[in-house]
Amino acid sequence: GEKVEQHQSTLSVREGDSAVINCTYTDTASSYFPWYKQEAGKSLHFVIDIRSNVDRKQSQRLTVLLDKKAKRFSLHITATQPEDSAIYFCAASGNTGYQNFYFGKGTSLTVIP
Amino acid sequence: EAAVTQSPRNKVAVTGGKVTLSCNQTNNHNNMYWYRQDTGHGLRLIHYSYGAGSTEKGDIPDGYKASRPSQENFSLILELATPSQTSVYFCASGDAGGREETLYFGSGTRLTVL
Repeated sequence: GEKVEQHQSTLSVREGDSAVINCTYTDTASSYFPWYKQEAGKSLHFVIDIRSNVDRKQSQRLTVLLDKKAKRFSLHITATQPEDSAIYFCAASGNTGYQNFYFGKGTSLTVIP
Repeated sequence: EAAVTQSPRNKVAVTGGKVTLSCNQTNNHNNMYWYRQDTGHGLRLIHYSYGAGSTEKGDIPDGYKASRPSQENFSLILELATPSQTSVYFCASGDAGGREETLYFGSGTRLTVL
C-alpha cells in the first residue's frame, strides 16, 4: 500500500522566516495530497491540499508544491507567525478501493518570536 | 461549523477489559472514521463507515470492532483491551464521497491500558 514519509520530525524557524516541510510518497496512483495542522492539545484540522493535475497551489501564506516524477510534495509557509507553531501532517490518498488517507508521522514546527 | 465530539477525553482501562469510545457528529456527513495516533506512526485507519448500519475494516482493524447505529454516532469497541492499544484515538467525519474529501476531526481520546 501507500507509504508517506515525512522527513523532518521537528523544524524551528524565526518569526518572519519561511518554513518548508517535505513529504514523499510511494504510490504513483495517489492523486490527492492534503495537509492537516494540529495545534498543541487540539485536534487536527485541514489547511490546504493539492491534486495531481497541478504542481502548485497557494492559499495566502501557504503554498503546496507537487513533483509527481519525484513523488514528493512540500508545504511552504512564508512570513511565519507564532500561531503557525503546530504539528503538520501530510497525507496522500490511497488506491485501496476505499476512502483512506495515508498520513506522514508529522512535523513539529516551532516559530521562535 | 463542522462538529465532531468524542467521549471520553481520557480513559484508563485494565488489560482484558472492554472499552467503548464514542463519537458524535452534527455535520450530517455520511462517512466516519476511527484513527489511532502513535509516536512514530502518524495516523492509521482502524475502521470506517459509509453510513448508518455500515462498518468497514481499515488498515489495522485487529482487536477492534466498530458500530454505526445512526448517521450521527460511530463507536469504537475494544472487547479485550491490551496494553498495545494504548494510544490516542481520533474520530473524523468526511464531507464528500471519493478520495478527495476533507476530514473533520474530533478532539481525540487518550486511552491507557494497564
